[in-house]
Amino acid sequence: GNSVTQMEGPVTLSEEAFLTINCTYTATGYPSLFWYVQYPGEGLQLLLKATKADDKGSNKGFEATYRKETTSFHLEKGSVQVSDSAVYFCARGSGNTPLVFGKGTRLSVIA
Amino acid sequence: DVKVTQSSRYLVKRTGEKVFLECVQDMDHENMFWYRQDPGLGLRLIYFSYDVKMKEKGDIPEGYSVSREKKERFSLILESASTNQTSMYLCASSSGQGIYGYTFGSGTRLTVV
Repeated sequence: GNSVTQMEGPVTLSEEAFLTINCTYTATGYPSLFWYVQYPGEGLQLLLKATKADDKGSNKGFEATYRKETTSFHLEKGSVQVSDSAVYFCARGSGNTPLVFGKGTRLSVIA
Repeated sequence: DVKVTQSSRYLVKRTGEKVFLECVQDMDHENMFWYRQDPGLGLRLIYFSYDVKMKEKGDIPEGYSVSREKKERFSLILESASTNQTSMYLCASSSGQGIYGYTFGSGTRLTVV
């Protein structure tokens, strides 16, 4: 079936460090891919998305590129801030089926 | 600002109680979803609905039911609450499947004692 695998956390980084959170997905069909972020005490918010191969989603300094050849959608940010501390979820969606989420990766950024 | 509103942020209920979790969206979305979120398990789909009065089982429907009498409201019902249903419950809505993403509510943290 459809699934999403993302790197386990927690990830702890110093402020201004480079961030990568890996995400791979099952290649069935032509899914859309998403990154969601959950700040403490809140629901999930859409961070960025890509709907076809080689698309790059970007928002708030975060980027992810839809790589069909490696079935990946890794999240990157060049310089993280303390305010980026949150849980990040990768998700895939296709056709008429609900989104499938990864298990989430907790990021802690320390000053 | 468009939103999905969950009626309670925190709830404490006793084992065996019937529990209603309410979710309302103001975006005229056709699709609504209930997930539960647990540490180490991520988000798991309980039920979803593509239209008024219709419902589909997700991955973990046991012990739950849902009601969608109006387009904007999707209720999750715990028929007889148990301690293993202690969790964060997240409601979401969307205007299309798998392409546009979801809008989530802030969540309801339910504790069953």
